[in-house]
Amino acid sequence: SQQGEEDPQALSIQEGENATMNCSYKTSINNLQWYRQNSGRGLVHLILIRSNEREKHSGRLRVTLDTSKKSSSLLITASRAADTASYFCATGTQGGSEKLVFGKGTKLTVNP
Amino acid sequence: NAGVMQNPRHLVRRRGQEARLRCSPMKGHSHVYWYRQLPEEGLKFMVYLQKENIIDESGMPKERFSAEFPKEGPSILRIQQVVRGDSAAYFCASSPREGEKLFFGSGTQLSVL
Repeated sequence: SQQGEEDPQALSIQEGENATMNCSYKTSINNLQWYRQNSGRGLVHLILIRSNEREKHSGRLRVTLDTSKKSSSLLITASRAADTASYFCATGTQGGSEKLVFGKGTKLTVNP
Repeated sequence: NAGVMQNPRHLVRRRGQEARLRCSPMKGHSHVYWYRQLPEEGLKFMVYLQKENIIDESGMPKERFSAEFPKEGPSILRIQQVVRGDSAAYFCASSPREGEKLFFGSGTQLSVL
C-alpha cells in the first residue's frame, strides 16, 4: 500500500524561485527520506531525517518533519534548471522490516 | 567503489518467456531491495533480501516471481511466463545496514511483447 503521498503532483517554477514539496504518511515511522529521480534513471538519495528530528539542511535543501501531523516538506531554495526532476518521499516504518515505502512523487520543472 | 550495477539495462521478452534481472550491490552492502516502477508512478516495493535470506517479500506476487541473493554473486529477480502487465522498470537498491539510505541502480526496463 502507498504510505507517502506527495503534494503537489506537479510543480512548475522559474529559475531562482524556491520550490516546496510536501509529503504526508499514515503510520509511525523510524525515518523519512527524500529522493530525486531524473527521467529514466535510478533514484538518488537527497536527505534522511529521523523521527526524533524536526529539521535538516543539506546545501540548498531543507527538510522538515512533523510527526504529530505525519507530514514532511522539502524546500529547494534558489532553484536551477538542473533541479528539474521527480522528487519522492519514502518512509521507513516501525514494527516491520526496514523496507522503504515510496510515494508517487512530485514532478518539478524549473524553467530557465 | 562502483555503484549498484543492474543488467541488462533493457530486456525484451515475448509473452510466456522468462525474464532474469541481475543486481550487484555496492561493495560491502548486504541488504538488497527490489522495486518496480510503472510510468508516472512511484516505486512499489517488491522484496527485501539479505545474503541468502528473504527478509520481506510482501510486495512480490506469489506466482511467477522469485528472488534470491546467494552467498556469492548478484541478486536475481526472476519472472517466469511473463505477461504484458509485467512491463515496467525494475530497480534494485542496496544499503549497508537497516534503516540507512538506499543506493539505487539505473534499473532494468522490461518490455513484454
